[in-house]
Amino acid sequence: AQTVTQSQPEMSVQEAETVTLSCTYDTSESDYYLFWYKQPPSRQMILVIRQEAYKQQNATENRFSVNFQKAAKSFSLKISDSQLGDAAMYFCACRPSGNTPLVFGKGTRLSVIA
Amino acid sequence: GAVVSQHPSRVICKSGTSVKIECRSLDFQATTMFWYRQFPKKSLMLMATSNEGSKATYEQGVEKDKFLINHASLTLSTLTVTSAHPEDSSFYICSARPSIGGGELFFGEGSRLTVL
Repeated sequence: AQTVTQSQPEMSVQEAETVTLSCTYDTSESDYYLFWYKQPPSRQMILVIRQEAYKQQNATENRFSVNFQKAAKSFSLKISDSQLGDAAMYFCACRPSGNTPLVFGKGTRLSVIA
Repeated sequence: GAVVSQHPSRVICKSGTSVKIECRSLDFQATTMFWYRQFPKKSLMLMATSNEGSKATYEQGVEKDKFLINHASLTLSTLTVTSAHPEDSSFYICSARPSIGGGELFFGEGSRLTVL
């Protein structure tokens, strides 16, 4: 079984600044994926970034990057040059390879201050 | 990316009635789809795994007779909330993964159910 922990219920950041959202996970699987999803007020789940556990290189998508520490089972998300549109709930998620569901953390609500 | 469509997006019903929510994968086949429930300001909780051509697998604590799941084709799964009560009011989201892809799950738009 997988568990995902997000220890920051709420975070805020000034526009154009950088913020890091924390996530730790636990799994007994050797092959798994990690994800960050964004959920704006529309409630649509939007993939922000994903990381295959077998890859050592940290994933990067434009202003979004992760710090993947496999031994520590840590998967934090860094948002650079924060924009007002980044305000949303952010969920960290994990799932083993194969037809398996995502297990989500409790989420972090990010506010962006103009 | 792949598209998952969910319908209806909003539904209001009276207590005791049944409501069906559809989840369709529009441009890929999905032998497995997942149904989640989300309470306000909470995370997504897995309800069940929908398997094409076979019975769904329900998570502990989820009543299979209350939440009927049918996955009759490779592109459609349905969730029927039977004899709905106000406590069933929630946001229901489906997701699916293409058989060929990078491990990502794609989500429907979600369905907000309100039981009066």
